[in-house]
Amino acid sequence: SAVISQKPSRDICQRGTSLTIQCQVDSQVTMMFWYRQQPGQSLTLIATANQGSEATYESGFVIDKFPISRPNLTFSTLTVSNMSPEDSSIYLCSALAGLSYEQYFGPGTRLTVT
Amino acid sequence: KQEVTQIPAALSVPEGENLVLNCSFTDSAIYNLQWFRQDPGKGLTSLLLIQSSQREQTSGRLNASLDKSSGRSTLYIAASQPGDSATYLCAVMDSNYQLIWGAGTKLIIKP
Repeated sequence: SAVISQKPSRDICQRGTSLTIQCQVDSQVTMMFWYRQQPGQSLTLIATANQGSEATYESGFVIDKFPISRPNLTFSTLTVSNMSPEDSSIYLCSALAGLSYEQYFGPGTRLTVT
Repeated sequence: KQEVTQIPAALSVPEGENLVLNCSFTDSAIYNLQWFRQDPGKGLTSLLLIQSSQREQTSGRLNASLDKSSGRSTLYIAASQPGDSATYLCAVMDSNYQLIWGAGTKLIIKP
């Protein structure tokens, strides 16, 4: 299994600013992902965080808005840039672990943009 | 394109009842299927994972089945308790190791 922590757990930010969310896994994992969950909605995949190379973004998400870093096999960051109220969501980090490719999730970061 | 559907969208039952949550998917070429639980404002907790070659998995009062050929999975909860109240999400993993999500079933267990 994998235990995933995220920082911060929540934040209230002003429009136009940026926030970086950190994700730490307690073991080395091959794949890490970033999701967004808007109020009352299911999860939407933002991107796959690749170790040592650029992240792979899903349709509708771009690197300039959501830059991602993954410097090693246990850590990743997601930055939400130039925020607007529409970015208010829960942002979740996840990782694939084990031979069964079970996906584990962090507790999420609740972001409110005013 | 894989699509995952969960029925019902919401369910409210008295404590102690056994219940079944349904998940269907359109493409049988899946790597595995996972059931998750999400409490309001919280992250996701993995409940059960079924590999594509398996038919079912059990954990405590939970039993999940998988019929890949018909594109269906069920999550059976025995002797429900108020603490089981949460949103239950089904997700299938495709060949790119990405999860395709259902919209979830919001479950309320009444004391």
